[in-house]
Amino acid sequence: DIQMTQSPSTLSASVGDRVTITCRASQSISSWLAWYQQKPGKAPKLLIYKASSLESGVPSRFSGSGSGTEFTLTISSLQPDDFATYYCQQYNSYRWTFGQGTKVEIK
Amino acid sequence: EVQLVESGGGLIQPGGSLRLSCAASGFTVSSNYMSWVRQAPGKGLEWVSVIYSGGSTYYADSVKGRFTISRDNSKNTLYLQMNSLRAEDTAVYYCARLSTFGGVIPDAFDIWGQGTMVTVSS
Repeated sequence: DIQMTQSPSTLSASVGDRVTITCRASQSISSWLAWYQQKPGKAPKLLIYKASSLESGVPSRFSGSGSGTEFTLTISSLQPDDFATYYCQQYNSYRWTFGQGTKVEIK
Repeated sequence: EVQLVESGGGLIQPGGSLRLSCAASGFTVSSNYMSWVRQAPGKGLEWVSVIYSGGSTYYADSVKGRFTISRDNSKNTLYLQMNSLRAEDTAVYYCARLSTFGGVIPDAFDIWGQGTMVTVSS
């Protein structure tokens, strides 16, 4: 099975900061990579699919890039509503796997 | 409004069985790829099972042989039958829709329910 590794596990940042989260796959997944935001007690929310496509209604400060085994989620200017945990997720051969999560905290 | 509402969670003893339900509105379950994803307390997300629009089903190794995903087209509802439950099955269970975004691969979960808690404990 493909393993997904996110870094860092925790990130401390301030409002207005540019934030980058990395996700690495144990083998190539082409562009089958999605990013989610989850707040405590809530369901995850899709942000990015196919590595770089922005889900409808998601602010443009969120962007995704990468292909193969290395991917990034960037928040161009961190807003108060963005403090949350972020997960990457891959698809391969009828399996969907999530990274362990990156918690974005207030600095 | 597109919505998923789960029910059926609760406290169950190890070795017991439970059936979760997920009622959909705003779209047709049988025309979509539908899945269950779980999250143990304080942990990350784990995909559990999927049912394709054509009826094919797939399971994570951790639940294969114990869990069964199904749907009732007349009720527009997804189910997860969980047997031989273990302590490690304790989690919030989410139902979610997988989207192809106009392609052919159901690669990302675009609609999620609010989740239902399953606790396996004696």
